[in-house]
Amino acid sequence: AQTVTQSQPEMSVQEAETVTLSCTYDTSESDYYLFWYKQPPSRQMILVIRQEAYKQQNATENRFSVNFQKAAKSFSLKISDSQLGDAAMYFCAYRSAGGKTSGSRLTFGEGTQLTVNP
Amino acid sequence: NAGVMQNPRHLVRRRGQEARLRCSPMKGHSHVYWYRQLPEEGLKFMVYLQKENIIDESGMPKERFSAEFPKEGPSILRIQQVVRGDSAAYFCASSPRTLSGNTIYFGEGSWLTVV
Repeated sequence: AQTVTQSQPEMSVQEAETVTLSCTYDTSESDYYLFWYKQPPSRQMILVIRQEAYKQQNATENRFSVNFQKAAKSFSLKISDSQLGDAAMYFCAYRSAGGKTSGSRLTFGEGTQLTVNP
Repeated sequence: NAGVMQNPRHLVRRRGQEARLRCSPMKGHSHVYWYRQLPEEGLKFMVYLQKENIIDESGMPKERFSAEFPKEGPSILRIQQVVRGDSAAYFCASSPRTLSGNTIYFGEGSWLTVV
């Protein structure tokens, strides 16, 4: 079974600075997808960024980018020019690309609470 | 294009009562997932359904919990004889297909409080 580990329960960053959130995962599969979701105080789950394992190029969405290291099974999220609205719980998630059932579920890490200081 | 719609947003039940949570997927999505988030924890997969079929229920507790996604109408997550430990946020998500890697989109969650 796949597991996702976020080793930083809490992180903080100064407004306009850069912060990196760590995520590692364990899998025996070669084809899969990785995601970062954001959960603000409203508790809604918001997709931040997505990475296909077969792509070597790191995904980027505006101020959000990832460092995907497939061999190391590492998938960190970098937030540049941090804003107050970035304050939230961030979850890393894994999804298999194969099988009718195995490709269905997301496996989440335990989350990292990000605080942005003005 | 409306997102994933869940209701009720908040539900309070006494121990022993039944809780029913409803989920309407995004337009064009035929796959529905339910996840549970206990306080201070991440989301845990419960069940994956397509219209009139349960595809994967490996995350569902063996007793008191059931889910359906009928041909017409929303998906329902039903919890019978609720206990305090069922207090959690229940998230529904949907996607158009599973094998293409399409992103799963979440609703805003339903918060169940058992008193």
